[in-house]
Amino acid sequence: QVQLVESGGGLVKPGGSLRLSCATSGFIFSDYFMAWFRQAPGKGLEWVSSIRRTNTYYTNYADSLRGRFTISRDNTKNSLYLQMNSLRVEDTAVYYCARFGGDSEGKWWFDPWGQGTLVTVSS
Amino acid sequence: QSVLTQPPSVSAAPGQKVTISCSGSSSNIGNNYVSWYQQLPGTAPKLLVFENNKRPSGIPDRFSGSKSGTSATLGITGLQTGDEADYYCGTWDSSLNFLFGGGTKLTVL
Repeated sequence: QVQLVESGGGLVKPGGSLRLSCATSGFIFSDYFMAWFRQAPGKGLEWVSSIRRTNTYYTNYADSLRGRFTISRDNTKNSLYLQMNSLRVEDTAVYYCARFGGDSEGKWWFDPWGQGTLVTVSS
Repeated sequence: QSVLTQPPSVSAAPGQKVTISCSGSSSNIGNNYVSWYQQLPGTAPKLLVFENNKRPSGIPDRFSGSKSGTSATLGITGLQTGDEADYYCGTWDSSLNFLFGGGTKLTVL
């Protein structure tokens, strides 16, 4: 069955960096676009970033995160990554990876989602 | 403040029907498809509806989606206590950013 498992979360000081990973199985990873989302404690869902099938193709970021976060993927390892730099207290959240569904722009949806990994930014 | 507007909460009795609205604009819902996600307490989001009104396999037909103009609606019939969750609508904007509504907490009384 399709599985997405995030890892790499933890406690980091403001200004620090962290790299999240999303290990996938049960599907042909290189055939799918992928995305990261986050959810601050007690808050709603927020899209973070998306990446198309290879790193040389399209990536996109939420405006508030552009320049600090970098999404990447390794199709040989069936894995998705999120490099987070210059972390701020407000980046504290559960981070989820998810697979794209759908066949064209404007139609895409996200299914399934991983279980999430908690990132806490605090001094 | 979310670009897509949902009611913060809705409630209904078991067996009843509830609808959750999601209001946007021509730059998002008006020109793109809407998907809906259910988040049970302490769990990851789960896709409920895609492409406005389609259900993934395994989602019961008690859940339905619709879209008209710049608004979308999620309907849930035959409410069960297990439906208590947060529900989020989502769609794309013209820059291919994915937008969520603020979420609606469903309480089954």
